[in-house]
Amino acid sequence: DAMVIQNPRYQVTQFGKPVTLSCSQTLNHNVMYWYQQKSSQAPKLLFHYYDKDFNNEADTPDNFQSRRPNTSFCFLDIRSPGLGDAAMYLCATSREAFTQETQYFGPGTRLLVL
Amino acid sequence: AQSVTQLGSHVSVSEGALVLLRCNYSSSVPPYLFWYVQYPNQGLQLLLKYTSAATLVKGINGFEAEFKKSETSFHLTKPSAHMSDAAEYFCAVSGYGGSQGNLIFGKGTKLSVKP
Repeated sequence: DAMVIQNPRYQVTQFGKPVTLSCSQTLNHNVMYWYQQKSSQAPKLLFHYYDKDFNNEADTPDNFQSRRPNTSFCFLDIRSPGLGDAAMYLCATSREAFTQETQYFGPGTRLLVL
Repeated sequence: AQSVTQLGSHVSVSEGALVLLRCNYSSSVPPYLFWYVQYPNQGLQLLLKYTSAATLVKGINGFEAEFKKSETSFHLTKPSAHMSDAAEYFCAVSGYGGSQGNLIFGKGTKLSVKP
């Protein structure tokens, strides 16, 4: 089955220790998104890639970076995690970046910062 | 700018009762609207979406939603709730301009189903 895969499902890191979350897709979609979802809140878009073009949301902290080495993979790097970065991180893909396109979500990675 | 408002952070219904989850949108252009469901510790799954083809949209698991432009609403309904419907539901509108294709979510409504 075509899908969006996120690893690991749970990640524990220490305050200030860099961490990388990964996402892969078998849908061959052009667009990949990263959302942050804090407890009992709506998902909030951090950034997205259209192919290799990176699009950062204006209010995404510099502490968050992303890489997309190829169509299938996208990584979220948190350079110096703070306690406030503990959240569920959701990866999503869409075929195109048009407004009517469906986004397909992975199961998420829950990040805990100690 | 687009936005959505979900009325009621928690809704509780009995099994077999009508489910009604409310969503109102704000958009200066014809919107594309989505309902997603999220089960505990899972990602989001698309229930249905409105793309101007028909005002009554049927989705998966027996859910449907009606787009009402005059009321700027896109409420989600299901005639008969099942225990497996217990989850969090998010209404979303698709962004335009610099955020074209990006989803703007409401705060979510948690649905509980009582036996």
